[in-house]
Amino acid sequence: GAVVSQHPSRVICKSGTSVKIECRSLDFQATTMFWYRQFPKQSLMLMATSNEGSKATYEQGVEKDKFLINHASLTLSTLTVTSAHPEDSSFYICSARGPQGRGNTIYFGEGSWLTVV
Amino acid sequence: LAKTTQPISMDSYEGQEVNITCSHNNIATNDYITWYQQFPSQGPRFIIQGYKTKVTNEVASLFIPADRKSSTLSLPRVSLSDTAVYYCLVALRGNTGKLIFGQGTTLQVKP
Repeated sequence: GAVVSQHPSRVICKSGTSVKIECRSLDFQATTMFWYRQFPKQSLMLMATSNEGSKATYEQGVEKDKFLINHASLTLSTLTVTSAHPEDSSFYICSARGPQGRGNTIYFGEGSWLTVV
Repeated sequence: LAKTTQPISMDSYEGQEVNITCSHNNIATNDYITWYQQFPSQGPRFIIQGYKTKVTNEVASLFIPADRKSSTLSLPRVSLSDTAVYYCLVALRGNTGKLIFGQGTTLQVKP
């Protein structure tokens, strides 16, 4: 079964509104999670590192005020796209390193499609 | 994080063995090599990981030469369902989990 789960899998929102995407680690704690975005037929681009209990670390060129990341618990990180615009439409994916018992593998969520209309 | 280079695309036929080679000239001593598979509209899925020589699991084999500057993912007897994008990544094992993706290799399996 899924080790990292995202919700919602698809969301449509109106331009100017905000939308929240959740990323949960199942059955294990993740002090660090990662958020990626992926445009059609392109590779994953790392957006930010989500740190439990502290501020996220954003990659160069990613607007921290637009992509709010909150990692309030050891199993949940949220990405909020604020004042969304059509150009924010993309596939958003999170990841976390699994527990030692699962080979220390990095697991990815199922992804969340965001469409801004 | 070491940069990786892979072929952009590959074609194969059902039942054939597919080998995808990845170049990572700047791999560091403590870096591991990991391959992921991604289907459209899904998150990447772990395939295999190795440090040197050969690693095999139920779905693939990973060959790593002594200098570790490249690696080859081998998929035995591919089927149509193996059509996907395959990513080679190099990172320090046991790090936080930060991965930088290259362009990946789009494998198209034909009947």
